Amino acid sequence: AQSVAQPEDQVNVAEGNPLTVKCTYSVSGNPYLFWYVQYPNRGLQFLLKYITGDNLVKGSYGFEAEFNKSQTSFHLKKPSALVSDSALYFCAVRVPANDYKLSFGAGTTVTVRA
Amino acid sequence: KAGVTQTPRYLIKTRGQQVTLSCSPISGHRSVSWYQQTPGQGLQFLFEYFSETQRNKGNFPGRFSGRQFSNSRSEMNVSTLELGDSALYLCASKAGGEVSPLHFGNGTRLTVT
Repeated sequence: AQSVAQPEDQVNVAEGNPLTVKCTYSVSGNPYLFWYVQYPNRGLQFLLKYITGDNLVKGSYGFEAEFNKSQTSFHLKKPSALVSDSALYFCAVRVPANDYKLSFGAGTTVTVRA
Repeated sequence: KAGVTQTPRYLIKTRGQQVTLSCSPISGHRSVSWYQQTPGQGLQFLFEYFSETQRNKGNFPGRFSGRQFSNSRSEMNVSTLELGDSALYLCASKAGGEVSPLHFGNGTRLTVT
């Protein structure tokens, strides 16, 4: 079975400081990994994905994520957080040939204080 | 391009009733998935449709059903509503292929009283 864990329910940072949201996964096979963000009363928005190739992927709004196969992690990062980055972040994993289902982590609430 | 549209945005129903939620995917997207989001269980996969066929199904009781029409629009139905069915129901579409990201609608907030 495939699963993804987000070990932190909440992350609090000051505006201008680096932001990291952690994600680890457990799958049989090579994973496709995704990050999504959800603002209040809205659906999820796609940020970035890792399929293959370069371990560092860049996405929307200045976010990037690093795939680490040995640590089975896919942490989301932003060098300088903005107040507007405050939202709920989800990591998700899909394993090829595993019925196309996308499994989501529990989510991490990010609060960026001014 | 218009995004994924879900109707209605809010719905209040009574236990025992049934409800139908609607989703219009992004034009050209043939895959539509449904997810249930609750504070306690997070995001849980309900089912996925592709070209009018159910391609995958999550672990939900038979009271939850769905369908997809020839224009890729999708509906999900919940019969005999229970209090625990109160949730945000999210629909997502994608262009196709395993690597395509999901594009989500803003959801339908269902409250069962």
